[in-house]
Amino acid sequence: EPEVTQTPSHQVTQMGQEVILRCVPISNHLYFYWYRQILGQKVEFLVSFYNNEISEKSEIFDDQFSVERPDGSNFTLKIRSTKLEDSAMYFCASQNRGNTEAFFGQGTRLTVV
Amino acid sequence: AQKITQTQPGMFVQEKEAVTLDCTYDTSDPSYGLFWYKQPSSGEMIFLIYQGSYDQQNATEGRYSLNFQKARKSANLVISASQLGDSAMYFCAMRFTGGGNKLTFGTGTQLKVEL
Repeated sequence: EPEVTQTPSHQVTQMGQEVILRCVPISNHLYFYWYRQILGQKVEFLVSFYNNEISEKSEIFDDQFSVERPDGSNFTLKIRSTKLEDSAMYFCASQNRGNTEAFFGQGTRLTVV
Repeated sequence: AQKITQTQPGMFVQEKEAVTLDCTYDTSDPSYGLFWYKQPSSGEMIFLIYQGSYDQQNATEGRYSLNFQKARKSANLVISASQLGDSAMYFCAMRFTGGGNKLTFGTGTQLKVEL
């Protein structure tokens, strides 16, 4: 069964460093998302990506964040200068059409120290 | 503003019993979709069931069913014949047609299935 794959599963980084979280969405999907979940809290939307551009972003997704789909298969989230409060589980999700369910990856746990 | 509310932070159920997890929502958008996801302790998000606002029948997927009461704006998840493996966090989520394709999640309900 096709699945969304995220790497790494866990990343520890020093405050101020850049991190890139990687995702391989399901191959025939068209819509891509990043969400985050701070430990013990609810899942929050960060950004959606469709047709090679950002279609929507939340207030959390400020200038420190960027997304890319560099090669038609990978979908990356970059945080330029990490802060302690960026520590969270980051989920990538993909979706086939606009009214279908989104499938989530297993998440990347980011710890900023 | 659209909002999802899960009022049960934690629930206990005995194995083989049925359990209902509550979810209410608030939107003025006539077209929306409702989703339930399961998050086991390992952390991944597993899609369980979907209900469209225009669907005439309540959605069912195996042991999962969705008690959709549109007038009351509720979309409760019913798990029948609970199993130990059902112990997890359960999130209700909503997609509003006027809000792009993003999902808005509730705060979740931690379900514990006991022997």
